[in-house]
This record gives sequence, structure tokens and C-alpha cells, in this order.
Amino acid sequence: DSGVTQTPKHLITATGQRVTLRCSPRSGDLSVYWYQQSLDQGLQFLIQYYNGEERAKGNILERFSAQQFPDLHSELNLSSLELGDSALYFCASSVRTLGTYNEQFFGPGTRLTVL
Amino acid sequence: LAKTTQPISMDSYEGQEVNITCSHNNIATNDYITWYQQFPSQGPRFIIQGYKTKVTNEVASLFIPADRKSSTLSLPRVSLSDTAVYYCLVAGGSQGNLIFGKGTKLSVKP
Repeated sequence: DSGVTQTPKHLITATGQRVTLRCSPRSGDLSVYWYQQSLDQGLQFLIQYYNGEERAKGNILERFSAQQFPDLHSELNLSSLELGDSALYFCASSVRTLGTYNEQFFGPGTRLTVL
Repeated sequence: LAKTTQPISMDSYEGQEVNITCSHNNIATNDYITWYQQFPSQGPRFIIQGYKTKVTNEVASLFIPADRKSSTLSLPRVSLSDTAVYYCLVAGGSQGNLIFGKGTKLSVKP
């Protein structure tokens, strides 16, 4: 158990819909990262937040957005869903973002299926 | 951005030593090299991290040459449970786009 929690574990929805994925980082971790992993694909970095502020952006579509709240939990919002958005979405947290790279602790993931 | 290149797959047998090499030609001065392990439908798990020379922990060793343009993860005496995907990540001073790549799928056979 990494200490990172993600809800829901599974999500099935239809094209065109909007969903919200939730992540609670490990106690004390200020950085939250979101990743997408499609079938047989590597991890695609989406976005990073540090203490409530966006820190880095990766291959995140304009239909996707995220935020980190004062209690440090984070939500990833996916809208106008397409079949190709079906994937595992992982959240990770680390202690801090500045200076040296800090080990990321990954959650169990949310499996999104778009029908 | 420091992009990494790894073999797509590797096969081994139980009890053997496995070495997985990662190329990262444009690694930055402040970047660290980190390896993660991922089992199917699970989140990746940290294995080892290094900056230069050699690092060893209870599960693996990491060898980094002086030019730091590559690194080798060494798994001693692998078992069936080491069957997983192994990712090499280069990040640190230029923390921005974190590129994991597709990783190396290691299959350990009896």
C-alpha cells in the first residue's frame, strides 16, 4: 500500500460525458501527479500540482483539467469523453518538487471505460 | 527534455542476473536516474535511484557511467515474481515533463 488513494476504482461511461477522478496523496506529500496509461502503452504524464498550484504540464488534452485543493487532494476532470480516453489513470504523490527528483508513490489507479 | 530508450522486452530464467540498459543521451546536469517496476493493473513502484557511479539497495543495483548518458539496472537472481515492466525515468533539476517511455517488459521463466 503506497498510501495514495484513488476513487473510483472503476468507471464506465458513455462518449460525450464528463467524469471526475479523485486522488488523495500520502500524508505530508505536497506534489500530485496525474498519468494516463492506455492498453499496452507506457505512462503518459498529464499534469503536476504542488501545494495547490500547477507546476508542470505534459500531454494533457484541452478537454482534461485538474486542480489541487487546500487539503491537498486532487481531482482530474475529463470531459467530452471519447472512446480513446479509455485507460488507466494513475495519481502519484511525492514530498516536494523543487531541487532533486523525489520518489513518486503511485495510487492503485482508476480504470476508465468509455463506451 | 531527457528522453529515454530501453529495450521493449527481455526474457530470463529464474536464478539468473538480469541487466536492463537505458539510454538518455541528453540528460541534464541536475537530473537523477530513477527506475520503477510495474505489475499489470497496478501503479508503478520505485526500485532505485542514482546520480552517478553505482547505487545498491536490497533489491537491485544501478550502474551509471561517468558520462551519465546511459544506466543499467541489475536484478540479481531473478524469480518469477520479478516478471513486470521496468521503467527508466530521468528527471530532477528540469522537473517538468516526466517521460516514462514504454518501459522494458521482463519475462522470467522457470
